[in-house]
Amino acid sequence: GAVVSQHPSWVICKSGTSVKIECRSLDFQATTMFWYRQFPKQSLMLMATSNEGSKATYEQGVEKDKFLINHASLTLSTLTVTSAHPEDSSFYICSAPIRGSNRGSPLHFGNGTRLTVT
Amino acid sequence: AQSVTQLGSHVSVSEGALVLLRCNYSSSVPPYLFWYVQYPNQGLQLLLKYTTGATLVKGINGFEAEFKKSETSFHLTKPSAHMSDAAEYFCAVALAYTDKLIFGTGTRLQVFP
Repeated sequence: GAVVSQHPSWVICKSGTSVKIECRSLDFQATTMFWYRQFPKQSLMLMATSNEGSKATYEQGVEKDKFLINHASLTLSTLTVTSAHPEDSSFYICSAPIRGSNRGSPLHFGNGTRLTVT
Repeated sequence: AQSVTQLGSHVSVSEGALVLLRCNYSSSVPPYLFWYVQYPNQGLQLLLKYTTGATLVKGINGFEAEFKKSETSFHLTKPSAHMSDAAEYFCAVALAYTDKLIFGTGTRLQVFP
């Protein structure tokens, strides 16, 4: 079945540094990928939608300069947390619809990246 | 706007007992509804979905959900809980005219032997 690979699974970084998270669709092309953020024991909050070949669209309240998204190919989207601070510590999960951007397409999720900023 | 509400952040059942996880939705258009399961430190796995057609939807691992328009509900059930069912369960609705999903707050299922 369709698989979304997310890397790294966990990362610890110092405050002020940047961290890049990769999300790859392994056996399908993903023109769209979604990035979610999940705080402990809370639900997933949609941060942004990355679109292959165009700019990402960000949800209200998400700083686009802090969370840089690049969707350079049909199989790779990256999220870079710039100048990370402890409050950015969270679980970040990417996902992609397996049958293109049609309403009702189930999303396939990566296994998430736990970011801890010290 | 679309939203989902999951009633009960924690549900505990004995192994072999009925599992019932509640989800109510709000939608200005015919809803597309989903249930996902999340194991610790992992992404989400699709259990089942409802778009159109039959209102009783069967999913993986013996789970099923029934879409009830009159009650605006999409509750998840399983006749007999297994220890491996212990996880976090999320109900979600697709935003109108997009494939973005809005998730509920989740329900943690505990299964006791």
